[in-house]
Amino acid sequence: NAGVTQTPKFQVLKTGQSMTLQCAQDMNHEYMSWYRQDPGMGLRLIHYSVGAGITDQGEVPNGYNVSRSTTEDFPLRLLSAAPSQTSVYFCASRVGPNTEAFFGQGTRLTVV
Amino acid sequence: AQKITQTQPGMFVQEKEAVTLDCTYDTSDPSYGLFWYKQPSSGEMIFLIYQGSYDQQNATEGRYSLNFQKARKSANLVISASQLGDSAMYFCAMREASRAGNNRKLIWGLGTSLAVNP
Repeated sequence: NAGVTQTPKFQVLKTGQSMTLQCAQDMNHEYMSWYRQDPGMGLRLIHYSVGAGITDQGEVPNGYNVSRSTTEDFPLRLLSAAPSQTSVYFCASRVGPNTEAFFGQGTRLTVV
Repeated sequence: AQKITQTQPGMFVQEKEAVTLDCTYDTSDPSYGLFWYKQPSSGEMIFLIYQGSYDQQNATEGRYSLNFQKARKSANLVISASQLGDSAMYFCAMREASRAGNNRKLIWGLGTSLAVNP
């Protein structure tokens, strides 16, 4: 099984550019989330979804959009990249609230 | 507010010895779940072990066990017989309580960096 597939693995953007980080899972999980990981700050939740058509904001949503048109896909859009968005991004999915999260491999994004 | 605290930024352990990584949590919800993840230098997040608040016994998974002390609100990870490959960041997380439906997010600690010395 592929599990959670996240692309790209690395990306460099110029300030002001937009891009979409892709996330797909083949486990039929309802819950999907996007995190960013910065040194010394652990994992911070950007947006999450509890099913197709349902999304909600996490603790650091500004500058990011998400949509969930299918159970499998949960893309994260950076609207106008800023250097403060330089980070490692993780997509995760899980079956339900009491189960472990499965993570993608991460995307290392640098905004110059 | 619900919170996870990992008080040890870094830990060292000798190969083949046991090590305990601390995690304390704060919640007023009687129903919660606690998770531990490992993040090696390669960057991926690997699930290790889960403990539910109503579980009668401490969780174990191979060399990993959870020292769950509910009254103290602690869920320490114990790694027995440490191996060089255990060198990594370790994160504790808690399933958030929610009054509204099923929107239960995970709350994360800042992690503990473990180095296993040969």
